[in-house]
Amino acid sequence: EAQVTQNPRYLITVTGKKLTVTCSQNMNHEYMSWYRQDPGLGLRQIYYSMNVEVTDKGDVPEGYKVSRKEKRNFPLILESPSPNQTSLYFCASSLGTGMNTEAFFGQGTRLTVV
Amino acid sequence: GQQVMQIPQYQHVQEGEDFTTYCNSSTTLSNIQWYKQRPGGHPVFLIQLVKSGEVKKQKRLTFQFGEAKKNSSLHITATQTTDVGTYFCLERGSNYKLTFGKGTLLTVNP
Repeated sequence: EAQVTQNPRYLITVTGKKLTVTCSQNMNHEYMSWYRQDPGLGLRQIYYSMNVEVTDKGDVPEGYKVSRKEKRNFPLILESPSPNQTSLYFCASSLGTGMNTEAFFGQGTRLTVV
Repeated sequence: GQQVMQIPQYQHVQEGEDFTTYCNSSTTLSNIQWYKQRPGGHPVFLIQLVKSGEVKKQKRLTFQFGEAKKNSSLHITATQTTDVGTYFCLERGSNYKLTFGKGTLLTVNP
């Protein structure tokens, strides 16, 4: 089954404790990206990757890191989480960056930083 | 991606009433996609519009792309409780960034 898998689905952590949210897709997609979703602000892009070893900042990259060492995986790293990073996070992938490509989203990760 | 404004932010309707959400841009959009997110779920692709003036239908859903490619709309005829969710538009810019509208939350009273 074609899917994007995020882990964990829920996470409560403390300020400053490094964490990684994993994202994996089994569709051989080139383009992957991370979003955070906050009430009233919609979905905002954090980072994106056009292919292996190629990443770039989205609209809200501060406090986040990503890596793309393999095509299927695109982890999101919070080196020192802060309470303002409490949010619902989505990973998404698409076949390419062309116009005629739909985005497939993971199930989401609800992160709480206390 | 470009700035895409989506209205309204919320819409509550009685079952059977129609619903419309709009996305507007001050600049020309290369294309626009629409997604639906059910409560507690993740966004799911509905459709893509590329051509000026394009109209596409999916059962009770009608999608339009403006003649100037600066606006788009999603219209649902005779809403049902299964239509509940947040509807987003997405502009895929040529610079690889993706810009979502803030979404319209639709609630339906049975």
